[in-house]
Amino acid sequence: DQQVKQNSPSLSVQEGRISILNCDYTNSMFDYFLWYKKYPAEGPTFLISISSIKDKNEDGRFTVFLNKSAKHLSLHIVPSQPGDSAVYFCAASLGQAGTALIFGKGTTLSVSS
Amino acid sequence: NAGVTQTPKFRVLKTGQSMTLLCAQDMNHEYMYWYRQDPGMGLRLIHYSVGEGTTAKGEVPDGYNVSRLKKQNFLLGLESAAPSQTSVYFCASSWDSSFYGYTFGSGTRLTVV
Repeated sequence: DQQVKQNSPSLSVQEGRISILNCDYTNSMFDYFLWYKKYPAEGPTFLISISSIKDKNEDGRFTVFLNKSAKHLSLHIVPSQPGDSAVYFCAASLGQAGTALIFGKGTTLSVSS
Repeated sequence: NAGVTQTPKFRVLKTGQSMTLLCAQDMNHEYMYWYRQDPGMGLRLIHYSVGEGTTAKGEVPDGYNVSRLKKQNFLLGLESAAPSQTSVYFCASSWDSSFYGYTFGSGTRLTVV
């Protein structure tokens, strides 16, 4: 059973507009949530994270929102740029020693100029 | 540059052949991981290690073995390759299992024919 779900395989946005990528999870024990960005032929790179005790974390153009009651988080990119075109993975952690991140299937973002 | 190095970057195997993928990190991280990425499946954990001399199974461990004889190296072995193991393999390392995220290598593209 998938614990981290990204139900939108792809998203297309115009340059300058907002991109909203969504992620749902099923395990209420997750302690941290992270977003990774992946370009073709490269490894994923860490983008932004949020602790379960917070509902928002902002870093420049990137903001992650967490709604624990709905078991939902979203990544907002404002304004979107063509260089943001990539695959975005949502990941969750139990925050316990000896465990590993659980990733969603990813959402491919395309930003057109 | 500090980071995670994977070798080789590309490999084609015949069914039944064996091979070892090498991952090396120079950040003194305790934790190391092997993931595979397949279209529409996201990143799935194969095996991981929480320290030198330790290994643990992830979500999809069958057909793979691992070893962590030195802290900086994490080896992934395929004893008898199968076409279902055609994938892109990513190694990652981290300080711990939660908030700080992982540093990924650039991947190994393996094709089993």
